[in-house]
Amino acid sequence: NAGVTQTPKFRILKIGQSMTLQCAQDMNHNYMYWYRQDPGMGLKLIYYSVGAGITDKGEVPNGYNVSRSTTEDFPLRLELAAPSQTSVYFCASSHRGELFFGEGSRLTVL
Amino acid sequence: GESVGLHLPTLSVQEGDNSIINCAYSNSASDYFIWYKQESGKGPQFIIDIRSNMDKRQGQRVTVLLNKTVKHLSLQIAATQPGDSAVYFCAENESGGSYIPTFGRGTSLIVHP
Repeated sequence: NAGVTQTPKFRILKIGQSMTLQCAQDMNHNYMYWYRQDPGMGLKLIYYSVGAGITDKGEVPNGYNVSRSTTEDFPLRLELAAPSQTSVYFCASSHRGELFFGEGSRLTVL
Repeated sequence: GESVGLHLPTLSVQEGDNSIINCAYSNSASDYFIWYKQESGKGPQFIIDIRSNMDKRQGQRVTVLLNKTVKHLSLQIAATQPGDSAVYFCAENESGGSYIPTFGRGTSLIVHP
């Protein structure tokens, strides 16, 4: 099993550009999550999904969108990138409450 | 020693010492708790978990203690090694609801050789 795979690992965006962070898991987990982690800080929940076709907002959803068309994939979309979205983004899936994280996607908005 | 500020609290220890990392949780209904370790540049990884019907659980060199009365969780690392240097997060879950964990603030552990 590859676990949770995130792409890209690094990306630099200009203000106002859009992009999608990809996340895929091969563990057949129903729950998936997107977190952001600012330097020296904790994890903040952006969006989560309890299964294919179902998504919900977390603590900091503004400026982001998600979709969950399959169990495996949970992409995170930034429509109009802003410097405040410079962060490391982690995708995770869970089995009975234990989260399995990807390696992260480091995004810089200039 | 431990310092608390706007960023992550930091605990500095010498190699070979025992480390204790603390976490206060907020939801009285939480009944499942997990400690995660996040090494620099990586995603958090599961270390050990405990359910609310227990007050202590031991793993290899790690022990988690749960005090439900004061809503407090601690992670003890025996004979701390440089490879233990990382950020440690606690997470609380209410297993009767959705599996949407609430993460603690995190503590940065620095082990000096």
